[in-house]
Amino acid sequence: GAGVSQSPRYKVAKRGQDVALRCDPISGHVSLFWYQQALGQGPEFLTYFQNEAQLDKSGLPSDRFFAERPEGSVSTLKIQRTQQEDSAVYLCASSLPGGARSNYGYTFGSGTRLTVV
Amino acid sequence: KQEVTQIPAALSVPEGENLVLNCSFTDSAIYNLQWFRQDPGKGLTSLLLIQSSQREQTSGRLNASLDKSSGRSTLYIAASQPGDSATYLCADFHTGNQFYFGTGTSLTVIP
Repeated sequence: GAGVSQSPRYKVAKRGQDVALRCDPISGHVSLFWYQQALGQGPEFLTYFQNEAQLDKSGLPSDRFFAERPEGSVSTLKIQRTQQEDSAVYLCASSLPGGARSNYGYTFGSGTRLTVV
Repeated sequence: KQEVTQIPAALSVPEGENLVLNCSFTDSAIYNLQWFRQDPGKGLTSLLLIQSSQREQTSGRLNASLDKSSGRSTLYIAASQPGDSATYLCADFHTGNQFYFGTGTSLTVIP
């Protein structure tokens, strides 16, 4: 596609509910990243994929967070037993090989705003 | 951990003014630095990317500079317009596979 597509745009979850957030990266972008942006803060890194391989998951805040990219294109970020502190905008970004080291940087999606009530 | 700071947190200027947004980072061993724009409820739009070997990049009314030795970058916006109103984020790629973001400067350009 022309850009990074994320769905849903908005998600309201009851505390304890599981949620799944989807990211469709730009076609041909092998690198895919998830970031979490709390209100009034800058985005913080969650995890990084190169193709289907999850090379870095050091930013995932707890074992309730799980990300996958089984076929090296679409990625899903799953949050189990959601808590109020999980409320944030979840941003997906994709990049050509080299990621942030390249001359191209990242292309971000519009994000999914998750509200846990 | 790399710390990225942006000053000021908020800025309000009349239309037509030139302005400077500041970004500082604690560890100068960066690969590159990128400036983004974020509109309310939207994702991030890349404005300028400066490699560590470069001093500045320009796009239209925007000019970004990088001084690695002092750990600083600036984004200069010339002849500001109401459509420039947004939050501006700087992010540097330091190590690993991630950018470290600042908390942003919220810019309002008053018609």
